[in-house]
Amino acid sequence: DAGVIQSPRHEVTEMGQEVTLRCKPISGHNSLFWYRQTMMRGLELLIYFNNNVPIDDSGMPEDRFSAKMPNASFSTLKIQPSEPRDSAVYFCASSPGLSSGANVLTFGAGSRLTVL
Amino acid sequence: GENVGLHLPTLSVQEGDNSIINCAYSNSASDYFIWYKQESGKGPQFIIDIRSNMDKRQGQRVTVLLNKTVKHLSLQIAATQPGDSAVYFCAENGGSSNTGKLIFGQGTTLQVKP
Repeated sequence: DAGVIQSPRHEVTEMGQEVTLRCKPISGHNSLFWYRQTMMRGLELLIYFNNNVPIDDSGMPEDRFSAKMPNASFSTLKIQPSEPRDSAVYFCASSPGLSSGANVLTFGAGSRLTVL
Repeated sequence: GENVGLHLPTLSVQEGDNSIINCAYSNSASDYFIWYKQESGKGPQFIIDIRSNMDKRQGQRVTVLLNKTVKHLSLQIAATQPGDSAVYFCAENGGSSNTGKLIFGQGTTLQVKP
């Protein structure tokens, strides 16, 4: 298995532009998580899905952020409009899911976002 | 509120020595804990986990100890190698059993001197 695949690895954009980050979880994993990592706040959970359904989006900073999971093999995190304070590394992770009782998350390599 | 924090931001050890990385948590409802290793430019990588019904668990060169009385978690790395240099994070589930949700600490940087 290729693991959790994220794209793009790096994105530099200007304030006000729309940013879309993409994630392909490990095949067979039923839970998907989006985390944001910054020096100041560490790793923060933004949102997670189980069986493609959003379970907890309380970590999403504001309405500019949205996430979707249209099918079991794809998820997007969108920021519109982007702001400089959104600059961070965004990680996607997946796990076997609630029914397995497993909490081990497998992380992707991350998408480093810089908003100028 | 919930807080998972690390005592030391940076730990420097000599190659071959044992390393101990500490973590404090505040949510007594947490019943699952996990350690991750993050190398520069990569995502966090699973090392070892432990449930609250245990106080010790061993892996290959790593041991996790859990002291629920004082809400303390530690990761011991035996015979530390240069490849162990990374940031180490502890995480807890905040009592959210089987949701997969993890709350991460701030991380400790481990530097291994040759």
